[in-house]
Amino acid sequence: AQKVTQAQTEISVVEKEDVTLDCVYETRDTTYYLFWYKQPPSGELVFLIRRNSFDEQNEISGRYSWNFQKSTSSFNFTITASQVVDSAVYFCALSEARGDYKLSFGAGTTVTVRA
Amino acid sequence: DAGITQSPRHKVTETGTPVTLRCHQTENHRYMYWYRQDPGHGLRLIHYSYGVKDTDKGEVSDGYSVSRSKTEDFLLTLESATSSQTSVYFCAISEGRPNYGYTFGSGTRLTVV
Repeated sequence: AQKVTQAQTEISVVEKEDVTLDCVYETRDTTYYLFWYKQPPSGELVFLIRRNSFDEQNEISGRYSWNFQKSTSSFNFTITASQVVDSAVYFCALSEARGDYKLSFGAGTTVTVRA
Repeated sequence: DAGITQSPRHKVTETGTPVTLRCHQTENHRYMYWYRQDPGHGLRLIHYSYGVKDTDKGEVSDGYSVSRSKTEDFLLTLESATSSQTSVYFCAISEGRPNYGYTFGSGTRLTVV
């Protein structure tokens, strides 16, 4: 069975600080996909990034960056120079490449950025 | 242009009454999923469908049933609503290839009083 753990429940920072969100996953499959979603106060789920298990190259997109390490089963997410608009709940999720492609979510981390 | 819509967006119902939530897609995707979101639990899978009339249970399926008579519609029914089913419900669709990702509806906020 697949499992995603986000140990941080809430993080509060002051604007311009960096924020790193931890995500640890468990799966027995060798092929799988990892995702990060953002849920702003308006409630919709916003897709941020997708990574497959064969691509450990880390990525930077603007103020966002992701660190994928298969050796530690982690897929961490960093917001650089945080802004108030980054305040949201962030979810890490995992889908195996078989078994009806069900998406399993972590419990989420609430990020509050104070001005 | 979202390709997926949920209805209703908000509903208040009484304990013991049946409730049906609807998910409608225009993408012709094979897979459809129903999740519930609760604080401290993230999103948990209730039921999903891998084709017309083909459905299966997720991790929190007790008290829920689903039906899919057409590719575009996936219905979630609470047979006899309880207060523990007060939640936000999300529908998602997928082509079945995770590298193409998932599309989520806007959610339905259900309150059982």
